[in-house]
Amino acid sequence: GNSVTQMEGPVTLSEEAFLTINCTYTATGYPSLFWYVQYPGEGLQLLLKATKADDKGSNKGFEATYRKETTSFHLEKGSVQVSDSAVYFCALSDPQGTGNQFYFGTGTSLTVIP
Amino acid sequence: DAGVTQSPTHLIKTRGQQVTLRCSPKSGHDTVSWYQQALGQGPQFIFQYYEEEERQRGNFPDRFSGHQFPNYSSELNVNALLLGDSALYLCASSPGRWGFYGYTFGSGTRLTVV
Repeated sequence: GNSVTQMEGPVTLSEEAFLTINCTYTATGYPSLFWYVQYPGEGLQLLLKATKADDKGSNKGFEATYRKETTSFHLEKGSVQVSDSAVYFCALSDPQGTGNQFYFGTGTSLTVIP
Repeated sequence: DAGVTQSPTHLIKTRGQQVTLRCSPKSGHDTVSWYQQALGQGPQFIFQYYEEEERQRGNFPDRFSGHQFPNYSSELNVNALLLGDSALYLCASSPGRWGFYGYTFGSGTRLTVV
């Protein structure tokens, strides 16, 4: 079946530190992969996406590369800011498998301190 | 450009009661999906509506039902509420059924069952 496993949190970093949040997946077909971010009291916002192997998604300084050989989609940012504090969710959509629903990881909480 | 609009933002219900949550999709989007997000967890897929029909359903009991109207807006109904139904309910919309490019999420309805 389809599933997403995310790095356990919470993660606390100092401003300007390097961020990595690990994400691995299991899928029956050829999924698209996503990172969503959720700020306190809000819904989910799409951060970046990759639709096929070796694609790199990027947005607002965040990057993630679709690695089919390791079934991974790790999120990275070179220099985090206080405003990046949020919960990050890795997700997959597997239209060739069970359809077009999204499968989410459990989320990784990030706190950036000044 | 309005995004996905959900109402109400919060509500409190008593165990055994029924509740209706509402969602207006982003302009230009015709597909609506509903997700349940328990505290500290990732969203879980409930069902998806397209062309006023339920097209796909997750692992939720029949107490959860929905509807899509000709203007693409949608309702989620939950009957015989249980304490375990307390969660953030998220509506997501997309142009077409397939989530290749990601869905747009609303801010959610926080349901508390007492």
